[in-house]
Amino acid sequence: DAKTTQPTSMDCAEGRAANLPCNHSTISGNEYVYWYRQIHSQGPQYIIHGLKNNETNEMASLIITEDRKSSTLILPHATLRDTAVYYCIVRLNNYGQNFVFGPGTRLSVLP
Amino acid sequence: DAGVIQSPRHEVTEMGQEVTLRCKPISGHNSLFWYRQTMMRGLELLIYFNNNVPIDDSGMPEDRFSAKMPNASFSTLKIQPSEPRDSAVYFCASTRIAGQETQYFGPGTRLLVL
Repeated sequence: DAKTTQPTSMDCAEGRAANLPCNHSTISGNEYVYWYRQIHSQGPQYIIHGLKNNETNEMASLIITEDRKSSTLILPHATLRDTAVYYCIVRLNNYGQNFVFGPGTRLSVLP
Repeated sequence: DAGVIQSPRHEVTEMGQEVTLRCKPISGHNSLFWYRQTMMRGLELLIYFNNNVPIDDSGMPEDRFSAKMPNASFSTLKIQPSEPRDSAVYFCASTRIAGQETQYFGPGTRLLVL
């Protein structure tokens, strides 16, 4: 799986958009970008994933650059409950392949 | 759906004792993962199963750790004998083996070995 690079930590004001970047410069053409988050003391929670096109769901938007070497997770209106560690993962969607979690970005949403 | 179920949620034991952690995956999921999370090492994969068969156990720390999946709805992770350095949160996750399936995690078991 391709390696990802994320900032260690970020702050965001409550109600504002949180933009979390991820670099995956060695991503291959058939690898997907996944985002998970882990709120303190809970198991990681799936947020969104994509291959080439931008994706949006009820939780967030995923913007993938045209060259696919980086992506941004956008939480449009961050709340205090969005404070968590956010993991960007790149993986093939092969048969039962593992997810490799890096250290992630610790997002603090401030009142 | 109840989600992935893990038990116990908390376990405190003494060094040398046997510890058994349990996991019930989401119904219909045929791939199951065991992870360990510590402050120092983050989230590490220990072992995963496809259709009840262990596929990759390279993350299992040593022979003291063993995992089984006797059927599609139940898995155990056993530590015998336990040591203080095994203290961590152990997560179980499940998914379907196909396409763009995502993993769903359980709430974790917090293990403290004294």
